[in-house]
Amino acid sequence: TQLLEQSPQFLSIQEGENLTVYCNSSSVFSSLQWYRQEPGEGPVLLVTVVTGGEVKKLKRLTFQFGDARKDSSLHITAAQPGDTGLYLCAGPGEVSNDYKLSFGAGTTVTVRA
Amino acid sequence: EPEVTQTPSHQVTQMGQEVILRCVPISNHLYFYWYRQILGQKVEFLVSFYNNEISEKSEIFDDQFSVERPDGSNFTLKIRSTKLEDSAMYFCASRTREVAPNTEAFFGQGTRLTVV
Repeated sequence: TQLLEQSPQFLSIQEGENLTVYCNSSSVFSSLQWYRQEPGEGPVLLVTVVTGGEVKKLKRLTFQFGDARKDSSLHITAAQPGDTGLYLCAGPGEVSNDYKLSFGAGTTVTVRA
Repeated sequence: EPEVTQTPSHQVTQMGQEVILRCVPISNHLYFYWYRQILGQKVEFLVSFYNNEISEKSEIFDDQFSVERPDGSNFTLKIRSTKLEDSAMYFCASRTREVAPNTEAFFGQGTRLTVV
């Protein structure tokens, strides 16, 4: 099982500030997915990054995949209270035949108004 | 927008009882998964299912667990004799027919199973 380490575990910031969440592994991933999960609900897909060095933007969210495809980051610009949630990275890894996902433990983001 | 639906949203059961968790995956998807998330812990893979058979399972998925796709629509997870440690959120997920690294998995809202 490929392990994904997310940091920080918790992040509390003021509305309007920027934040970055990291997802690291010693293994190579064929792709990485970022999900956001609200309490008591299922993970909701935000983005998939596939190519090493890829950068994807989703409004105020910027996702980057490392050149070696072992790490990824999520940057939120001018965070808003609606960005509060648990952010999860997940990846299928190189050896999975059916693309089951390994998840990181998540970063809990709290944006204070 | 198509979505994965799960029922029930919350199930309370006595230890030793059998439970069946139900999922309706997105209609044109062919790969189906069950994951679970114990409170405060990470989401863990349980089992994957393709072409009417299990393609991979984790060490968590022991003889007490089984999956079935009885009618081409529903995808069920059965726990034969529940234990207290089975209490968790159980998520169903499905993936398209495209076997490529960037085909995303879509998750249901989950079933919260509480074993008392």
